Amino acid sequence: ETGVTQTPRHLVMGMTNKKSLKCEQHLGHNAMYWYKQSAKKPLELMFVYNFKEQTENNSVPSRFSPECPNSSHLFLHLHTLQPEDSALYLCASSQDTSEGYEQYFGPGTRLTVT
Amino acid sequence: GENVEQHPSTLSVQEGDSAVIKCTYSDSASNYFPWYKQELGKGPQLIIDIRSNVGEKKDQRIAVTLNKTAKHFSLHITETQPEDSAVYFCAASGSNYQLIWGAGTKLIIKP
Repeated sequence: ETGVTQTPRHLVMGMTNKKSLKCEQHLGHNAMYWYKQSAKKPLELMFVYNFKEQTENNSVPSRFSPECPNSSHLFLHLHTLQPEDSALYLCASSQDTSEGYEQYFGPGTRLTVT
Repeated sequence: GENVEQHPSTLSVQEGDSAVIKCTYSDSASNYFPWYKQELGKGPQLIIDIRSNVGEKKDQRIAVTLNKTAKHFSLHITETQPEDSAVYFCAASGSNYQLIWGAGTKLIIKP
């Protein structure tokens, strides 16, 4: 496979469930990102990893827990979510986190919290 | 705080006509301005970008203009085609090189 892949593509979970989102990039990039996309709102950057180290955490609630075991894989662990967390979660990668590097996005995971 | 405003939220144009999407940013230190296109069921994809030392950049039917004094930048699509239908996002570089995103414009090309 090429590019950035995300699994699952769709996820429905109750507020007491625990689930994980997976992202894999096949581009040899060093940086990976999690974004939250809600309808008619700007993309919200959640977490940034560069060379497996977390460099940004934009005040994301602790019910979202990222994990980056290597530069090619990124996970988002979810627990005790709220209905307002329902959104499209996008993973992206880039060669570096410096200004001007193109971000390559996966197709996203559509999350519904019931 | 840093923000990017994008207008319009929806734009409907006749096939073959031109489309213009405008963005305004707040951080005068922003130096990099990309535009991404998001098709249904896919993630955003970079289509063109511009840096602050350039006023205009073209790539076939798409062009971007930048006015640093006014803190405005715009996307121009000429001779629109059905495959141009998508949601377009502008962004501006912010602190720590993070991108500050606009809320998106849904472009509809009418046959």
